[in-house]
Amino acid sequence: AQKITQTQPGMFVQEKEAVTLDCTYDTSDQSYGLFWYKQPSSGEMIFLIYQGSYDEQNATEGRYSLNFQKARKSANLVISASQLGDSAMYFCAMREAPKRGKLIFGQGTELSVKP
Amino acid sequence: GAVVSQHPSWVICKSGTSVKIECRSLDFQATTMFWYRQFPKQSLMLMATSNEGSKATYEQGVEKDKFLINHASLTLSTLTVTSAHPEDSSFYICSAEDSTDTEAFFGQGTRLTVV
Repeated sequence: AQKITQTQPGMFVQEKEAVTLDCTYDTSDQSYGLFWYKQPSSGEMIFLIYQGSYDEQNATEGRYSLNFQKARKSANLVISASQLGDSAMYFCAMREAPKRGKLIFGQGTELSVKP
Repeated sequence: GAVVSQHPSWVICKSGTSVKIECRSLDFQATTMFWYRQFPKQSLMLMATSNEGSKATYEQGVEKDKFLINHASLTLSTLTVTSAHPEDSSFYICSAEDSTDTEAFFGQGTRLTVV
């Protein structure tokens, strides 16, 4: 069975600094997709970044990058130049196939950006 | 990206009544939609997978007679919470699958309060 683990319930970061949110996963599948979502207090799920299991390059989207280490089964999110608006819950998720299937979510990390 | 609209965004109902939540894919056809439930400060837990034209697949522990799911068209899935109780109060959020895109698209979510 697939499993996602986020071990940091809460994180603090100073504005303009970089922060890494940890995510490890467990699966016996060879093909899968990894996602990061941001959830502000309003509840909406905002897609940040995607990494396919066969992608050789680490995914990047603006200030977000995904540090994908397949052998270690980790998919950490790096946010550069943190902004006050980055304060939110962040969820790592896995899907059994790159474009299809349910998402399995980690426990989430609450990020607080300090001015 | 594709748009998924969920309605209502919040609802308050009395114990014993039923509440219907709609999830629509606005600009793509979604043969598969997913319904998640989220308690405060917790992760998203998959309740069921909704497939157009067929019965929904429920996750273990989810009462299918209490949480009725209907996916009658390629753009609409509904979740009906029947005979609601205060413990059903939660945040319910849907996502729709666009097989041409890796991103999973989420509705805005529905905050249900049963009094």
